[in-house]
Amino acid sequence: RKEVEQDPGPFNVPEGATVAFNCTYSNSASQSFFWYRQDCRKEPKLLMSVYSSGNEDGRFTAQLNRASQYISLLIRDSKLSDSATYLCVVNLGGATNKLIFGTGTLLAVQP
Amino acid sequence: NAGVTQTPKFQVLKTGQSMTLQCAQDMNHNSMYWYRQDPGMGLRLIYYSASEGTTDKGEVPNGYNVSRLNKREFSLRLESAAPSQTSVYFCASRTSGRDEQYFGPGTRLTVT
Repeated sequence: RKEVEQDPGPFNVPEGATVAFNCTYSNSASQSFFWYRQDCRKEPKLLMSVYSSGNEDGRFTAQLNRASQYISLLIRDSKLSDSATYLCVVNLGGATNKLIFGTGTLLAVQP
Repeated sequence: NAGVTQTPKFQVLKTGQSMTLQCAQDMNHNSMYWYRQDPGMGLRLIYYSASEGTTDKGEVPNGYNVSRLNKREFSLRLESAAPSQTSVYFCASRTSGRDEQYFGPGTRLTVT
């Protein structure tokens, strides 16, 4: 079983749609959680951290369910510029501060 | 403030050649990391340096060596390149007390 699992997609959605991505992680000791965005042939960039209480940043909402070991990202009112791969990332903590990356979910927003 | 920079951006090597990938950050971060990214796989940690003067193996260290030259710079060396090392290599850094990492633009390496 992969440590972080995501649906690879692609998710093809029209502009203005709401889209949700899910992610599960296997290590219950995981300490912190992130969504990164990666554009084609570019580096991953931090989109947002994910907190147990849930957090929102504009059109983006992230949720964490520790009991189910499940993370989600909701994008409202999709824009063409949201087209990218979204990486679910889990931090195991400790001295390494090791990040475990999912393989990513590809989003294509259509005009 | 350039963030994390990497050189070169692209490189083609023949099997058996050696090269060093350079990484530098100007954010005064303590920790630095080297990852590789291959199609269908998440980023995998090769080596990391928790602080200046220390380095440790990650998930896929075989065939690589690293040097933490100073607080700013962390290099990755391939002593004898193999086709299996064809990949995109990303360097990242992190400041103490924060979990998120910041990535450089990557080096696309092809070994023929």
